[in-house]
Amino acid sequence: AQSVTQLGSHVSVSEGALVLLRCNYSSSVPPYLFWYVQYPNQGLQLLLKYTTGATLVKGINGFEAEFKKSETSFHLTKPSAHMSDAAEYFCAVRSRGNEKLTFGTGTRLTIIP
Amino acid sequence: NAGVTQTPKFQVLKTGQSMTLQCAQDMNHNSMYWYRQDPGMGLRLIYYSASEGTTDKGEVPNGYNVSRLNKREFSLRLESAAPSQTSVYFCASTRANTGELFFGEGSRLTVL
Repeated sequence: AQSVTQLGSHVSVSEGALVLLRCNYSSSVPPYLFWYVQYPNQGLQLLLKYTTGATLVKGINGFEAEFKKSETSFHLTKPSAHMSDAAEYFCAVRSRGNEKLTFGTGTRLTIIP
Repeated sequence: NAGVTQTPKFQVLKTGQSMTLQCAQDMNHNSMYWYRQDPGMGLRLIYYSASEGTTDKGEVPNGYNVSRLNKREFSLRLESAAPSQTSVYFCASTRANTGELFFGEGSRLTVL
């Protein structure tokens, strides 16, 4: 079984401040982990992914995430928020050998000017 | 480069009507998926197809049927629409073993 928990359905940060979006997962086997972003009235697009190797993963638009096995976490960060980062962010997990990708419930990020 | 194409983008149905959502991908991907997105619930998997000729149920398959017509196309059918099926539907595809899904732009369905 696999599942994802995203803490905080809404997060607001000031422009230029640190962005931290939290994700914890559950998987009975080593997981693949993903962050997707959804802008209004659009489909989801991949921000970054962890499959194997380096646990700190860099993605598009200055985002990065760190896979911490001991904490079963994959939190998303960006050092300095930009107005264009306002969107909904989804964490997702896929257990190795499983074709299905399971999504969290999403975190809506608002940037305060 | 079209990627994943869904039709229609918008549809309004009356309770009990039927309809089919069409999805096609041009990336030669093996696996295809149908998700629904509802506020506060994230994306929930309806059905998926790991390869041409195979389909499997996801979390919320009741009230839906699917057809993997060929490697490119994966359709979702509502035989008798209900208001609870009002949602935004996303089709996605992926190469085997990568996990990275490529999404269509979504189909917004309203059932009155």
